[in-house]
Amino acid sequence: GAGVSQTPSNKVTEKGKYVELRCDPISGHTALYWYRQSLGQGPEFLIYFQGTGAADDSGLPNDRFFAVRPEGSVSTLKIQRTERGDSAVYLCASSFSESSGATGELFFGEGSRLTVL
Amino acid sequence: SQQGEEDPQALSIQEGENATMNCSYKTSINNLQWYRQNSGRGLVHLILIRSNEREKHSGRLRVTLDTSKKSSSLLITASRAADTASYFCATDRSGGYQKVTFGTGTKLQVIP
Repeated sequence: GAGVSQTPSNKVTEKGKYVELRCDPISGHTALYWYRQSLGQGPEFLIYFQGTGAADDSGLPNDRFFAVRPEGSVSTLKIQRTERGDSAVYLCASSFSESSGATGELFFGEGSRLTVL
Repeated sequence: SQQGEEDPQALSIQEGENATMNCSYKTSINNLQWYRQNSGRGLVHLILIRSNEREKHSGRLRVTLDTSKKSSSLLITASRAADTASYFCATDRSGGYQKVTFGTGTKLQVIP
């Protein structure tokens, strides 16, 4: 497709379960971002990939959260032992990094809404 | 952590009026961007202004940047009901950092 695709769009799980959220970025975009957004708040940075490597994972809240991008395209955000506080919309964005190294426009997916019961 | 803060947090205006939103940030930046988010949807890019630019226009949007004050403003002229949305500023730090962080947002309501 032409845009960033995120699946699932909605996920309801029980406390303690494992969850995977997938992001398929725009073809050719080298940079990929994950954000978490709670109701009424701005997107909170989680992790940023440049190619296959995590360039900055300083936003991951704890070691229950992990993300991969093994081939430099699709990324998966993995959450272990989910807690009720993990409930939020998880947003993925991709970007074509500028030659200067600065970041250009981010293209967002529609998000994956996670509800932990 | 949020890099930027927008004010006001909420703004309600009549259709046809202008809407101004402000963003303040903490560190030196490469670029500052503004995004729009309709309720329950993903964010859509509106405009990007570089640190060496002071003003930029795109259609009914006008963005200013004051790096000495670490602040930016977004002006939407002749607002329409369809402009009702949340608006966020986003910055990436200078020095080769590509981490993009978002502000807290302004919720704009345009009353027909």
